[in-house]
Amino acid sequence: DIQMTQSPSTLSASVGDRVTITCRASQTISSWLAWYQQVPGKAPKLLIYDASSLESGVPLRFGGSGSGTEFTLTISSLQPDDFATYYCQQYNSSSPGTFGQGTKLEIK
Amino acid sequence: QVQLVQSEAELKRPGASVKVSCKASGYTFSSCGISWVRQAPGQGLEWMGWISAYNGNTDYAQKFQGRVTMTTNTSTSAAYMELRSLRSDDTAVYYCARDLGHYYGSTYFDYWGQGTLVTVSS
Repeated sequence: DIQMTQSPSTLSASVGDRVTITCRASQTISSWLAWYQQVPGKAPKLLIYDASSLESGVPLRFGGSGSGTEFTLTISSLQPDDFATYYCQQYNSSSPGTFGQGTKLEIK
Repeated sequence: QVQLVQSEAELKRPGASVKVSCKASGYTFSSCGISWVRQAPGQGLEWMGWISAYNGNTDYAQKFQGRVTMTTNTSTSAAYMELRSLRSDDTAVYYCARDLGHYYGSTYFDYWGQGTLVTVSS
């Protein structure tokens, strides 16, 4: 099975900061990667699919990049609503569905 | 608008089974799949499996094979997930999600249900 490893596990930042979260796959997954945001008590929300495609309605400050085994989610200027937990998820056809362990973005 | 509405919370004894429902609306049900994802208290997301609402094909995560069954009813646009032989570590919020993979297999999830808490306790 493909394993997904996110870093860091916790990230402290301030409103207005630029932050980057990394997700590494244990084997190549081309660009078959999505990013989700989850606030406590709510269902996850899709942000990015196919590694870099922005889901409709998601603010432009969110961006995704990468291919193969290394991917990043960047938030260009943190807003108060962005403090949440972020998950990557791979959907390579041979072994779909694996999520990273999550990155909790906290207010500094 | 696309909506996925799940059944209410359940309390089950160890060894029992649970069946969670997910009623879809706002899109052509057979044009997408449904994936099921669970989240234990304070933990991350865990994909359980996928079902095509187009042809009923399934793909279950190895961890759940033999213990889970996913089905759909296209006439009512509903999906179901049954988990058997429940243990205390099956206590979690179970989510259904619209999966853009409708034929070959699971991809990513653009709409989610509100979640169903399943508690397994004696």
